[in-house]
Amino acid sequence: GAGVSQSPRYKVAKRGQDVALRCDPISGHVSLFWYQQALGQGPEFLTYFQNEAQLDKSGLPSDRFFAERPEGSVSTLKIQRTQQEDSAVYLCASSLVWLAGGKKGTDTQYFGPGTRLTVL
Amino acid sequence: RKEVEQDPGPFNVPEGATVAFNCTYSNSASQSFFWYRQDCRKEPKLLMSVYSSGNEDGRFTAQLNRASQYISLLIRDSKLSDSATYLCVVNVYNTDKLIFGTGTRLQVFP
Repeated sequence: GAGVSQSPRYKVAKRGQDVALRCDPISGHVSLFWYQQALGQGPEFLTYFQNEAQLDKSGLPSDRFFAERPEGSVSTLKIQRTQQEDSAVYLCASSLVWLAGGKKGTDTQYFGPGTRLTVL
Repeated sequence: RKEVEQDPGPFNVPEGATVAFNCTYSNSASQSFFWYRQDCRKEPKLLMSVYSSGNEDGRFTAQLNRASQYISLLIRDSKLSDSATYLCVVNVYNTDKLIFGTGTRLQVFP
């Protein structure tokens, strides 16, 4: 079946421009995550949604970063007034939620191909 | 100090060799552990989960030592296609986010 898709795959922005990155999760996946991966580093958590609710945004580096998932499926990560340090690959992941024995957790996270953002 | 630490490598090994990667994590509340594989300019993909009892998947063996907060991955009979970056990943109790190490690069040569 279709995996997680992201668009655009590549984005070049001039410093100060606003950008919007889109993520289409796997159909039926309740949880959606955004990660930022700088060159030579592992992905770093940005924010997390369960359906349309943003449950954790502790990883967003500044108030220039904003994410939404208004209908609980597609999500958009917006970066305002981009800076050179925002250059990175932005990865989206989705997963199912499991319920067992009164506990809830997320299943395996499946990643999209990422959007490579370059800020000049 | 990073929450998950790995030797970045690169590890250059001949085909057929056995290679081991190690990883340490700092948060004792970590509850789930994984190895992800990432090919150059591709997304991370789950290689295997890591369980306290240790687990094996073909040529790959993962071990977890909760007391030492240490995770390992052993690859036997390396193939050229094993060349990639191996990411050590933990999930902290009561959160859903994954914490990644910087990755260890493996290059298998003929």
